[in-house]
Amino acid sequence: GDSVTQMEGPVTLSEEAFLTINCTYTATGYPSLFWYVQYPGEGLQLLLKATKADDKGSNKGFEATYRKETTSFHLEKGSVQVSDSAVYFCALSEGSGYSTLTFGKGTMLLVSP
Amino acid sequence: KAGVTQTPRYLIKTRGQQVTLSCSPISGHRSVSWYQQTPGQGLQFLFEYFSETQRNKGNFPGRFSGRQFSNSRSEMNVSTLELGDSALYLCASSTDGPSSTDTQYFGPGTRLTVL
Repeated sequence: GDSVTQMEGPVTLSEEAFLTINCTYTATGYPSLFWYVQYPGEGLQLLLKATKADDKGSNKGFEATYRKETTSFHLEKGSVQVSDSAVYFCALSEGSGYSTLTFGKGTMLLVSP
Repeated sequence: KAGVTQTPRYLIKTRGQQVTLSCSPISGHRSVSWYQQTPGQGLQFLFEYFSETQRNKGNFPGRFSGRQFSNSRSEMNVSTLELGDSALYLCASSTDGPSSTDTQYFGPGTRLTVL
């Protein structure tokens, strides 16, 4: 079945550092890929998505590129802020018809001033 | 436009009791999905409803059930609660259902604690 693997956290960074959170996936078809963010005490918010190979999703300074050859969708940000501290989830949805979201375990990011 | 709302936000129950959680989707959204989030298992899909019909179901026991009303509001019910049911239950809505093109929008969740 489908699965998503994320790097384990927590990831601890200083403000303005470069961020990478790795995400790889296994899927039978041609999935769409998502990054969701969960701030403390809140639900999930869609951060960005990509629906086909080589697409780049971007939002709020975060970027991720859909790499079909390496089945990866790594999240990057050039300069993190304290307010980026949250849990980040990589997810996929199979491309044909409707399907459920399959999530990774989540990666906690802690940014210190 | 108002977001997805879930009530109540917090619940404390004891083993053996039952509980009903409610989700109101974004106006115009006809699909509602439910997820269970725990530290050990992460986010797991429970079920999805579209136009009052359950279209998809995750791998959970029959104690977990749900329904959707004609106004797209949805409820989920857990009977005979177990300690392991303690979790954050998230509801998500979308226009037509989770797919490659249809984004799901999540509510803040209901935190259920079973004592």
